[in-house]
Formats: sequence, structure tokens, C-alpha cells
Amino acid sequence: EAGVAQSPRYKIIEKRQSVAFWCNPISGHATLYWYQQILGQGPKLLIQFQNNGVVDDSQLPKDRFSAERLKGVDSTLKIQPAKLEDSAVYLCASSLVTQRGSYEQYFGPGTRLTVT
Amino acid sequence: GENVEQHPSTLSVQEGDSAVIKCTYSDSASNYFPWYKQELGKRPQLIIDIRSNVGEKKDQRIAVTLNKTAKHFSLHITETQPEDSAVYFCAARNSGGSNYKLTFGKGTLLTVNP
Repeated sequence: EAGVAQSPRYKIIEKRQSVAFWCNPISGHATLYWYQQILGQGPKLLIQFQNNGVVDDSQLPKDRFSAERLKGVDSTLKIQPAKLEDSAVYLCASSLVTQRGSYEQYFGPGTRLTVT
Repeated sequence: GENVEQHPSTLSVQEGDSAVIKCTYSDSASNYFPWYKQELGKRPQLIIDIRSNVGEKKDQRIAVTLNKTAKHFSLHITETQPEDSAVYFCAARNSGGSNYKLTFGKGTLLTVNP
């Protein structure tokens, strides 16, 4: 089966500019996650969607970050305006929801963002 | 919220030796513990996971053990090979509602020297 797709793979922007990332999860996966992975650290969850509804966005800096999953499939994550500390890899992941709960998360290749 | 501590941050072993990475978690409601391997510049990939109703799970050279009382779990890699070199992340997930949030440790850089 096809994996999680993300684009772009790399992005360099200046601080205060805006940027958007796109994710296409594995077909049939109801749950979609956006993670931020700063160099040398583990992924940190920014937002979780179940279909097109937000389940958890407690760690999303809502003053500058926004995300949507309008039709319950693809998702976009936007940063406006970007700060230097936003430099990181942004990972999208998806998982199935089963009767026993959602378990394995499949990650996309990530978007490496550099803010200068 | 959940907090996951992972040790060591770096680990260097000789090819053929064993490697052990340990994690502790804070939320006693956590019930799912996956381990991910991330090679340089690549996506994290699940290598093994364990659920809270099991104390140990093995898959060829990789095993994971879970001690629910002490709230810690460990990854064991035997007969290490150079291709095992990567960053390994542990994670924990609680059982709350529809929130399948994983909390990750900070990672262990494993280097297997030929």
C-alpha cells in the first residue's frame, strides 16, 4: 500500500514569512497527526485529527500555527508568521481506528523547514 | 500529561554485542508502548510495540520488556549489526477516549562499530 505522502520535502523561508505543508495519509486511515521534530529530540504532537475533527491541539501554538483537514483526508499545516525556533522537521502520520483503538502510526518522510 | 524519559542518549557497541535502551513513563493509564527506529534523514519506522497486558515481546533479534509496576520498558537488540545504527525512540500512549496521542522520549543514538 502507498505510504503517507508529504510535500514539500524541504523549505527555506525568512522569519515573519508564512509557509504551508501538505499531507496525504494512507487511504482509509481516519486518524491524522502532525508532529514537530526539533533536531536531536523526539517528535512532539502538534495536532491530531479524527476524520475532519480535531481531537487534540493542546500543544499547537495557535497564535501562529493552524491546521485543517476539511474533507477528512488530506491535511495542511500553516505557520504564519514563522519564527527562527520553528526550524524543525514537520512529520505527518496516520493510523487506523479499530475496535481496540488506534495503534500503529505510519509516518511520512517529513518536511524540513529552515527559518532564517 | 504523560512524560517519557529515555536513557542513554547515546550508545556505542561493537558488532555482535547486545544493546539495551530504557524508558520510564509517568502516566499509569498508558497502555501501549511502541519503539521507532529513525535513520538519518528518514522517517521514524515502527520496529516493535508492546501492550500493557503483556510483559515481554520478541521479534528475531529485537525484544521489548514492560514492567507496569515500575512504569518502565526496555528495548533489547541482540547480535547487533552496523545497519542497526540509528536513533531509537520509545513512546507511550494512554487509553483516554479517542485521543491516541503518543508521547515520545528524546531518543537514543545507537552506533554499532564493525
